Amino acid sequence: AQTVTQSQPEMSVQEAETVTLSCTYDTSENNYYLFWYKQPPSRQMILVIRQEAYKQQNATENRFSVNFQKAAKSFSLKISDSQLGDTAMYFCAFPLFTGANSKLTFGKGITLSVRP
Amino acid sequence: KAGVTQTPRYLIKTRGQQVTLSCSPISGHRSVSWYQQTPGQGLQFLFEYFSETQRNKGNFPGRFSGRQFSNSRSEMNVSTLELGDSALYLCASSLGQGVRSYEQYFGPGTRLTVT
Repeated sequence: AQTVTQSQPEMSVQEAETVTLSCTYDTSENNYYLFWYKQPPSRQMILVIRQEAYKQQNATENRFSVNFQKAAKSFSLKISDSQLGDTAMYFCAFPLFTGANSKLTFGKGITLSVRP
Repeated sequence: KAGVTQTPRYLIKTRGQQVTLSCSPISGHRSVSWYQQTPGQGLQFLFEYFSETQRNKGNFPGRFSGRQFSNSRSEMNVSTLELGDSALYLCASSLGQGVRSYEQYFGPGTRLTVT
């Protein structure tokens, strides 16, 4: 079965510190994308970062970077220099491949609180 | 490019009524997916439309239906509303094909309250 798992329901971090959010997935595919989405209190889902599975280099977008371990099927999001505006729910997402009916599958999400 | 838009942003309906939600995707995107988000169930996939055809469907009753028009705009309809249908309904658009076909961009959502 192909799944996406976020085992930490909540995390808290002090402003300016670094935090890592974990995500694991399961697939037998070799070429795919992985995504992290952010949903702040406004409820607008925002694409934070994408990782291409066939690239060994970890993706980076400003203060956001991933630690992609393909063999371990792990896809963590690291937020550096945390800011109050990073307070949000974070979802990792992965395409669930079922032939013609493939769709993007989301984890249950992690609620991140940044403390001033 | 303009982002994904959803109308209306807020709706209050009573049990038994029906409702139609609208979603306009990013220009050039041919796929529209719909999700229901509730505190208890999280983000649940409803269905996806690509080039006016339903390409994928989640595990929701037949009261939930949708369609897509030739300009890729999509509507979602819920008939015979139940209290449990109260949720945030999100639509997301994507190219729908190619390597980045699963990269979705979301609208602001429609908050539906059923009383």
